[in-house]
Amino acid sequence: DTGVSQDPRHKITKRGQNVTFRCDPISEHNRLYWYRQTLGQGPEFLTYFQNEAQLEKSRLLSDRFSAERPKGSFSTLEIQRTEQGDSAMYLCASSLELVETQYFGPGTRLLVL
Amino acid sequence: GQSLEQPSEVTAVEGAIVQINCTYQTSGFYGLSWYQQHDGGAPTFLSYNALDGLEETGRFSSFLSRSDSYGYLLLQELQMKDSASYFCAVRDGSWGKFQFGAGTQVVVTP
Repeated sequence: DTGVSQDPRHKITKRGQNVTFRCDPISEHNRLYWYRQTLGQGPEFLTYFQNEAQLEKSRLLSDRFSAERPKGSFSTLEIQRTEQGDSAMYLCASSLELVETQYFGPGTRLLVL
Repeated sequence: GQSLEQPSEVTAVEGAIVQINCTYQTSGFYGLSWYQQHDGGAPTFLSYNALDGLEETGRFSSFLSRSDSYGYLLLQELQMKDSASYFCAVRDGSWGKFQFGAGTQVVVTP
């Protein structure tokens, strides 16, 4: 397996547009996480899945953000009506259940103009 | 709630030893992890401590004191490639939610 992949790697959009990002985790990993990272900060937890179930979502996360993992494999993160404050790196990570190690993808860098 | 504190930057010369401290406040504690992130790259896992004591992995070691809510990452025999940001992270009560510190940028000079 080649690791966690994310698509696209870069996205530039205009304020008010919707964007969707995809994450493909390591195939045998049943846990999948989404994080947001801004310059000079650590990854900020957004949400996580165990298989297809979304088990927790950050209270800081606006209703404009939604994530799915329909078949327990890849996941999508959608941001509706983007705002300039959404500009950040969006990271996906996966892990085996009950294992501490998370494997991160390369991220999708979003710029909202 | 949870919070983690770590220094923002540390500078050292090649071959030196650097210690990155991390103090945390958590409602429940399930272990302290460390990740490395190079500029433009993804975070990569370095180590995990669930119990008090020192864990050694090559040139890197990680220490935890649960009674002091404190841990550190020790980087020995520094190399230029060690220039990166290092994050400590703790897991929330559930198995899925992690909180990361703001990161320590390590700058290695010749």
